[in-house]
Amino acid sequence: SQKIEQNSEALNIQEGKTATLTCNYTNYSPAYLQWYRQDPGRGPVFLLLIRENEKEKRKERLKVTFDTTLKQSLFHITASQPADSATYLCALEFSGGYQKVTFGTGTKLQVIP
Amino acid sequence: DSGVTQTPKHLITATGQRVTLRCSPRSGDLSVYWYQQSLDQGLQFLIHYYNGEERAKGNILERFSAQQFPDLHSELNLSSLELGDSALYFCASSSGTSRKGGAGELFFGEGSRLTVL
Repeated sequence: SQKIEQNSEALNIQEGKTATLTCNYTNYSPAYLQWYRQDPGRGPVFLLLIRENEKEKRKERLKVTFDTTLKQSLFHITASQPADSATYLCALEFSGGYQKVTFGTGTKLQVIP
Repeated sequence: DSGVTQTPKHLITATGQRVTLRCSPRSGDLSVYWYQQSLDQGLQFLIHYYNGEERAKGNILERFSAQQFPDLHSELNLSSLELGDSALYFCASSSGTSRKGGAGELFFGEGSRLTVL
């Protein structure tokens, strides 16, 4: 069965540093990989989507890489700020046209001032 | 504001009861997804509907059922409730347009928090 692992439950980082979050998957041929941000008690909010034929995507301070050989995506937040503190979720949609979007368990990021 | 509306926001009920959660997708979105989020399980995919048709099913219990109506709103019915069903239930919509196309960005509602006592 498909399995999505995010590198750690929690990550603490100093303000101004780059936060790097990892998403690993097994038994998948994902067509799309997405990253979401979730604040406590709120619904997830979309950040970035990357396709299987794309290596990298950027949006402002955010960067996502997608390595289908390693079955891994890295999510970077540069110049991190306390306001970036949240749980970050990766989500995969595998090819086959079923549009089933499966989420990892998330990494809770804490940016320390 | 994502444009996705979920009601009720909070619901407290007893074991053995039945509840219905409602979701109105963003205007124009044909796809609706339901997810369950509990503390120890993360965000679990339940079911996906596209324009009234069931497209994909996750680990949805037989006690749970869903449907999407002609006006595109969706309902998730939970019956014979157990303590372990207590969770946040999220609905999301997307503009995924075809069977072969990707789901695209999901827009989530604020969730319905269900507490079973």
